[in-house]
Amino acid sequence: GIQVEQSPPDLILQEGANSTLRCNFSDSVNNLQWFHQNPWGQLINLFYIPSGTKQNGRLSATTVATERYSLLYISSSQTTDSGVYFCAVEGSNMLTFGGGTRLMVKP
Amino acid sequence: NAGVTQTPKFQVLKTGQSMTLQCAQDMNHNSMYWYRQDPGMGLRLIYYSASEGTTDKGEVPNGYNVSRLNKREFSLRLESAAPSQTSVYFCASSEDIWIAGIYNEQFFGPGTRLTVL
Repeated sequence: GIQVEQSPPDLILQEGANSTLRCNFSDSVNNLQWFHQNPWGQLINLFYIPSGTKQNGRLSATTVATERYSLLYISSSQTTDSGVYFCAVEGSNMLTFGGGTRLMVKP
Repeated sequence: NAGVTQTPKFQVLKTGQSMTLQCAQDMNHNSMYWYRQDPGMGLRLIYYSASEGTTDKGEVPNGYNVSRLNKREFSLRLESAAPSQTSVYFCASSEDIWIAGIYNEQFFGPGTRLTVL
């Protein structure tokens, strides 16, 4: 099946800093989603982005499907951005999740 | 519009006991899914239902059964719980199953935290 790797696995930021999270996948995919899992365990949809670039407030994402990667940008980070960020790709009739990036934003 | 709802939120079972996790969606979606999330990991697909009346195995189906009761509801049953099934279970739904080029964003419920002693 498809392999999904996320980097970095852990990230600590000072409030106000910017960051880039990366998602690499091993095969062509039909679509890609980014999620934020907050400290209470809730999965929040951030982007549905099989290709191209999207922006939503301080967050933006870019997927380059031909090169098999996606990037999630967080600007001016806030403590409420803390949690785990997952990339999930759809291929081979299954949504496959990466291992996540654990982000901690310190005040 | 509640989206995807799951019951119960928490459950503790003894080894060998059975239970059913309930999931319902009010978005008129055709497809529904059950995932499990083990500590420090991403989610893995257990079973899915492409449409009412159909179910298929995902990546980790052993030890589970599912029922698509109607378009809204999709239940997951553990017939004889084992400690290895201690996990957080998420239900999700989408407009349709995977079709290339078709919008297919999945939306997730709040999860059920299950502990098997």
